[in-house]
Amino acid sequence: QSALTQPASVSGSPGQSITISCTGTSSDVGGYDYVSWYQQLPGKAPKLMIYEVNNRPSGVSNRFSGSKSGNTASLTISGLQAEDEAYYYCSSFTSSSTLVFGGGTKLTVL
Amino acid sequence: EVLLVESGGGLVQPGGSLRLSCAASGFTFSSYWMHWVRQAPGKGLVWVSRINLDGSSTNSADSVKGRFTISRDNAKNTLYLQMNSLRAGDTAVYYCARGFYGSSSDYWGQGTLVTVSS
Repeated sequence: QSALTQPASVSGSPGQSITISCTGTSSDVGGYDYVSWYQQLPGKAPKLMIYEVNNRPSGVSNRFSGSKSGNTASLTISGLQAEDEAYYYCSSFTSSSTLVFGGGTKLTVL
Repeated sequence: EVLLVESGGGLVQPGGSLRLSCAASGFTFSSYWMHWVRQAPGKGLVWVSRINLDGSSTNSADSVKGRFTISRDNAKNTLYLQMNSLRAGDTAVYYCARGFYGSSSDYWGQGTLVTVSS
């Protein structure tokens, strides 16, 4: 199972919006509404930000939103804040009943 | 408070074995799928394996299939990962995580480092 494709890095200024893409295939992202997004700060465990494409767990800011079109899912962060600087990973359920992560995207807040 | 605490990591020689444990507390362990996810130093997250509520069904990544076995003891609120035939490429921090809505994980442990080296 190949990793999902994410950009290595994205950046934005405080207050701006950014979008991170996550591209897979019809056997994973495109075939199921089981895409999740995680935020990972250096030296910390991942934190769930979005589940099932566009749902936020309790306690996650509504500045974070998810969507999907075909084989590509996206995470959008609006009103960018310094504290959002982190690595972001997408994951998806697959047709083999396994899970697969993306390679990760480093978000830099300028 | 939900807590997941991994243990059992350490240095092991190539070809060796190790068993990781994940002690769960603060929730009804037997009501959740559980996952293992690993992260090599400086690299991204890689899903390893998952197990259903009673341990009767498991799935694993191709890279560990036949070498790693996930299991659980609901009476002890503990998740396990038996790792055999370890390779240098298995060096990573191993996280246990609680399943959420099937394919996500909402709580994660702090991780335990496994180093495979001679």
